[in-house]
Amino acid sequence: QSVLTQPPSVSGAPGQRVTISCTGDSSSIGTGYDVHWYQQFPGTAPKLLIYGNTNRPSGVPDRFSGSKSGTSASLAITGLQAEDEADYYCQSFDSSLSGHVVFGGGTKLTVL
Amino acid sequence: EVQLVESGGGLVQSGGSLRLSCAASGFTFSRYWMSWVRQAPGKGLEWVACIKQDGSEKFYVDSVKGRFTISRDDAKNSVYLQMNSLRAEDTAVYYCARRRSSWYDVFDIWGQGTMVTVSS
Repeated sequence: QSVLTQPPSVSGAPGQRVTISCTGDSSSIGTGYDVHWYQQFPGTAPKLLIYGNTNRPSGVPDRFSGSKSGTSASLAITGLQAEDEADYYCQSFDSSLSGHVVFGGGTKLTVL
Repeated sequence: EVQLVESGGGLVQSGGSLRLSCAASGFTFSRYWMSWVRQAPGKGLEWVACIKQDGSEKFYVDSVKGRFTISRDDAKNSVYLQMNSLRAEDTAVYYCARRRSSWYDVFDIWGQGTMVTVSS
């Protein structure tokens, strides 16, 4: 069981907006650690999607946005497109764990 | 082009050993922390180990402590993961990742992964 909790799946129709939550606690996100998001297509390596809670690397469409509040963070995708169908993982840190690095369990996004 | 290429995966019996390698190119390898992250079949990502720029600090997830050893050779722009006493639950794709500890502490570059299968 991951320290960071994500819904196993979310879905939406093309053009819609979806959000993926990432819930931690007082020893992880609530401590003030940054949250990052990664996108992974089947059979490929994860790719950095959002860093430092809200920032997009060069080349990531502005349809993707991140936010953080308290012990949780969220990834929002607007104007959903078929090519957004993938797995999404949040990542942060937990001061109670060895090495401190933690990933969420991942969320499968299905575009209907 | 910034790139990480893993190698060394394969099929090994339970209790056996394997050494993974990750070759970096396109950036100044010695300036970065490096990490290994794994993904069991059909499962999520799990951070495994990290090593500091000069190799002076190493961290491991509890489940591999005492069995896995991370190391690096800056002259060869490479990071390694020596895996001993392998168990079925270590079966996974192992990714090498660059960790930018001084910039948001994020894994910004990933390799394509190498599959490790431990048979019981």
